[in-house]
Amino acid sequence: SQQGEEDPQALSIQEGENATMNCSYKTSINNLQWYRQNSGRGLVHLILIRSNEREKHSGRLRVTLDTSKKSSSLLITASRAADTASYFCAAWGGGSEKLVFGKGTKLTVNP
Amino acid sequence: DVKVTQSSRYLVKRTGEKVFLECVQDMDHENMFWYRQDPGLGLRLIYFSYDVKMKEKGDIPEGYSVSREKKERFSLILESASTNQTSMYLCASSRWGTLAHHWADTQYFGPGTRLTVL
Repeated sequence: SQQGEEDPQALSIQEGENATMNCSYKTSINNLQWYRQNSGRGLVHLILIRSNEREKHSGRLRVTLDTSKKSSSLLITASRAADTASYFCAAWGGGSEKLVFGKGTKLTVNP
Repeated sequence: DVKVTQSSRYLVKRTGEKVFLECVQDMDHENMFWYRQDPGLGLRLIYFSYDVKMKEKGDIPEGYSVSREKKERFSLILESASTNQTSMYLCASSRWGTLAHHWADTQYFGPGTRLTVL
């Protein structure tokens, strides 16, 4: 079964606004990762958060992890048009040997 | 920086042809992966390899095979291409870890090959 499920499926905001994407998963995890994919390209790793961590920052990105709710969120602050992309969470653990990707959130940042 | 390259960005083949997709990484990574990505289905793992000449089936191995003769190169083979194999194919690699942590590390992706089978 799908380990990571992103919400919403699509998000459209104006430049300068914050964008929040959520990811839920079904079983216990060892770590959860977020990736970005520009249209028609490969995925680029953004952040890895381990199960014993609650929050992580990288530049304008903030990732939180709530293992009690089996959920994670990715916040992009002060968004830019260049942030337009699809964002995927990927969870590892729960007895699975696989890094399981969600179906992604398509973010559009309008200039 | 890690660099993962794929042999073609776009490929058009005919039904029944044998298709080779090549992937090369330059960071001495132990683990390599092949995914396919389809609208509404996300990324699905086809095969992975955690060592030279080693391979493991992913979620959707049917109709595919792989080859890893050298550490830096992982090939995906469509033995007899079919129209339902039209897709975006993504290769990825990650560092070596303990057996229990093959999957824990960051994966580095190539740019993808968009394959169309007519």
